[in-house]
Amino acid sequence: QVELVESGGGVVQPGGSLRLSCAASGFSFRASAMHWVRQAPGKGLEWVAVISVVSIGGGYKYHADSVQGRFTVSRDDSRDTLYLQMNSLRVEDTALYYCARDKKVGHNDNFDFWGQGTMVTVSP
Amino acid sequence: DIQMTQSPSSLSASVGDRVTITCQASPDINTYLNWYQQKPGKAPKLLIYGASNLATGVPSRFSGSGSGTHFTFTISSLQPEDIGTYYCQQHDNLLRFTFGPGTKVDIK
Repeated sequence: QVELVESGGGVVQPGGSLRLSCAASGFSFRASAMHWVRQAPGKGLEWVAVISVVSIGGGYKYHADSVQGRFTVSRDDSRDTLYLQMNSLRVEDTALYYCARDKKVGHNDNFDFWGQGTMVTVSP
Repeated sequence: DIQMTQSPSSLSASVGDRVTITCQASPDINTYLNWYQQKPGKAPKLLIYGASNLATGVPSRFSGSGSGTHFTFTISSLQPEDIGTYYCQQHDNLLRFTFGPGTKVDIK
């Protein structure tokens, strides 16, 4: 069965860095675009980044404006693992970070499987 | 940028009631619209994709409709296990996504 397991969260000071990982199993990871989504405590969902399939467009990446230039999404298909490198962290980056699988149906894309999330706390 | 609004922000209804949530997008997003349910302490779950298609294993009391800029999500008969927050989500052709602000549903 499909499983996504995030890790790497923790407490970090403003300006610090963290690298999140998302280990995938139960499906063809290399054939799936993947996303990061975050949720600040008590708040709604915010899309963070996407990385496409490497065989299509060389694995293009897009990041939300709120993290552009500070966060970088990447993938290692040999390890079935998705990453999010987070630099120059700010207090407002405090959130539960989820990875999610992209499912394409015709022209529609959706997030059909999600991990349980890893918590990142940015605090002085 | 695509803007998403969702209403109401919260609602309270009785078991068996029909519940409707609306989502407005600007500009036109065709049917690139999905709906998710999030229960407290859990990851979101896909309910509806492509505006009106029921995801695998989702009960038929959930439905969606709309295209362009106006979308509707309906629970035909609210059940106790439907408590949670519901989000609409849109995407563009570059796989950049936006979530609506969410609608919290509870039982009266």
